[in-house]
Amino acid sequence: KNQVEQSPQSLIILEGKNCTLQCNYTVSPFSNLRWYKQDTGRGPVSLTIMTFSENTKSNGRYTATLDADTKQSSLHITASQLSDSASYICVVTPGAGGTSYGKLTFGQGTILTVHP
Amino acid sequence: NAGVTQTPKFQVLKTGQSMTLQCAQDMNHEYMSWYRQDPGMGLRLIHYSVGAGITDQGEVPNGYNVSRSTTEDFPLRLLSAAPSQTSVYFCASSRNSGRGGSYEQYFGPGTRLTVT
Repeated sequence: KNQVEQSPQSLIILEGKNCTLQCNYTVSPFSNLRWYKQDTGRGPVSLTIMTFSENTKSNGRYTATLDADTKQSSLHITASQLSDSASYICVVTPGAGGTSYGKLTFGQGTILTVHP
Repeated sequence: NAGVTQTPKFQVLKTGQSMTLQCAQDMNHEYMSWYRQDPGMGLRLIHYSVGAGITDQGEVPNGYNVSRSTTEDFPLRLLSAAPSQTSVYFCASSRNSGRGGSYEQYFGPGTRLTVT
């Protein structure tokens, strides 16, 4: 079964520090990999989307990397802020494009807490 | 644009009751989905639609029905509520385009359902 595993489950850091969240997946072949941010009590919001041919994508202080050979992705957060406290979810789309809609595989998320 | 809207935000049902969770989007998106999110688990797909009049089952469809009579609306019906359906439900929509299936997916704010 296609799986997406995220680590760590939870992470506490001090404001201003950097952190890196990990995502390992077994989905193959895969079309693209996404990172979402989900604030408590809200729906997920997209941070980055990388196709299989991309190996890095940035969105402000968020930088996602992808190694399709090892099936690993990471999300690096630079100079963390209190507002970065949220769950970060890795999502992998299998296959090759539009027919894969409905088959997205979600990780369980990493809960990040940023303390002042 | 209001984006993706969901009603109600909260709902308590007794076992055996039925109800409909409403989802609407004003972005003219072809694709719409329903997910449930349970503690410690990734989002799981219940049903999805790739256009008006077309629906398909996701990973956990049992106990739920959907229909898509218009592009804008995608209601989720619980036929006979059970405690196992206690969860947070998210609706999402997207276009059917994007290189490598990298369509942007927009989530609603969620409906928190408790079945007693």
